[in-house]
Amino acid sequence: GAGVSQSPRYKVAKRGQDVALRCDPISGHVSLFWYQQALGQGPEFLTYFQNEAQLDKSGLPSDRFFAERPEGSVSTLKIQRTQQEDSAVYLCASSLVSTALRINSNQPQHFGDGTRLSIL
Amino acid sequence: AQKVTQAQTEISVVEKEDVTLDCVYETRDTTYYLFWYKQPPSGELVFLIRRNSFDEQNEISGRYSWNFQKSTSSFNFTITASQVVDSAVYFCALIGSGNTGKLIFGQGTTLQVKP
Repeated sequence: GAGVSQSPRYKVAKRGQDVALRCDPISGHVSLFWYQQALGQGPEFLTYFQNEAQLDKSGLPSDRFFAERPEGSVSTLKIQRTQQEDSAVYLCASSLVSTALRINSNQPQHFGDGTRLSIL
Repeated sequence: AQKVTQAQTEISVVEKEDVTLDCVYETRDTTYYLFWYKQPPSGELVFLIRRNSFDEQNEISGRYSWNFQKSTSSFNFTITASQVVDSAVYFCALIGSGNTGKLIFGQGTTLQVKP
């Protein structure tokens, strides 16, 4: 498809398990963002990639969260030793432009449908 | 610090009514961008509009219109003649200069349009 694709759509895991969430951005999009959306809240930034480089990971809540984008296209968000507070929708977004300019906003971010993660 | 506040948690209207969703933002940046996104029950965030801090002209797109006022740090969104399909959660968001383009979202306003 032409949009941002995320998988799985739903993920249920037991506390303590590791999970991996996948994001396939729009082809050619340089920038890729991960957000976490708790129930009834707005999305909150987790991390940002420009191609394969992770330029901002200030939003990752703990060292259990790890993201990668090794070839500058598909990205994976991994959560180790999951906790109940990790339950949320994880949204991926991509946009066309890079951060060559200090403000990366010439193009809007296009979001996927998200992965709903439930930790039991 | 940058912050977006959407004071209205939920709004319920009857079809064909006009409705305004409020958004107030805080930033020390002189250059910034404001956005509105729609999140239907399916979960995907749908881009509606982008406005930069140097352009205070109001914008109209069909039944949608946006009122940007820097003096009050507000970027309000009005839907005219609302329809049931407008029912969704609406988010206002901000990108400030000096960051990597991450969106700072408000809490969202849930709009329910009843037939």
